[in-house]
Amino acid sequence: DTGVSQNPRHKITKRGQNVTFRCDPISEHNRLYWYRQTLGQGPEFLTYFQNEAQLEKSRLLSDRFSAERPKGSFSTLEIQRTEQGDSAMYLCASSLGGHDGYTFGSGTRLTVV
Amino acid sequence: DQQVKQNSPSLSVQEGRISILNCDYTNSMFDYFLWYKKYPAEGPTFLISISSIKDKNEDGRFTVFLNKSAKHLSLHIVPSQPGDSAVYFCAVFYNQGGKLIFGQGTELSVKP
Repeated sequence: DTGVSQNPRHKITKRGQNVTFRCDPISEHNRLYWYRQTLGQGPEFLTYFQNEAQLEKSRLLSDRFSAERPKGSFSTLEIQRTEQGDSAMYLCASSLGGHDGYTFGSGTRLTVV
Repeated sequence: DQQVKQNSPSLSVQEGRISILNCDYTNSMFDYFLWYKKYPAEGPTFLISISSIKDKNEDGRFTVFLNKSAKHLSLHIVPSQPGDSAVYFCAVFYNQGGKLIFGQGTELSVKP
């Protein structure tokens, strides 16, 4: 197992376009988290899944954002009609539910121009 | 409202000396605290943690101290090495849901 994998590593898009990111968690982890990190800030929680169920969404997750984890394995995060304020590092993490083994991927750096 | 605060955006220390990174939190109900280290273009990696029932946890060169009455924790790195240069985040773990709440980070620079 190579840990949490995120693709793409970098994405540059024009304002108004839609983008989709993928996260492949550690295979035995049932929980998957999405975070967003902007410059000078720590990662901020966006949403999480337990298996395929999305159990919590932050108020940061506007209606332009949608996340799925269709078979309880990989997850996708889609941003529709991107805005410049969406430029950030999007981080995925997975765990077995506790704080032990909580593992982050390398992130997807989104730049909206 | 920032529940976890790291008030020092940066810290510079000499190789071999002690690095002390500080973190304050607001909610006395938090019961698990973690420190993560982050290099540019990588995700955070777990460093060390502490439960609220303890006041100290040590792992090699890294020690975390927890002062519950002051709602303050600190990370000590002794001796500091140039490879320790990174951004350090403290975080609290929410048992309900398992999300992490992070501070703003402190960028540590260890100079040879």
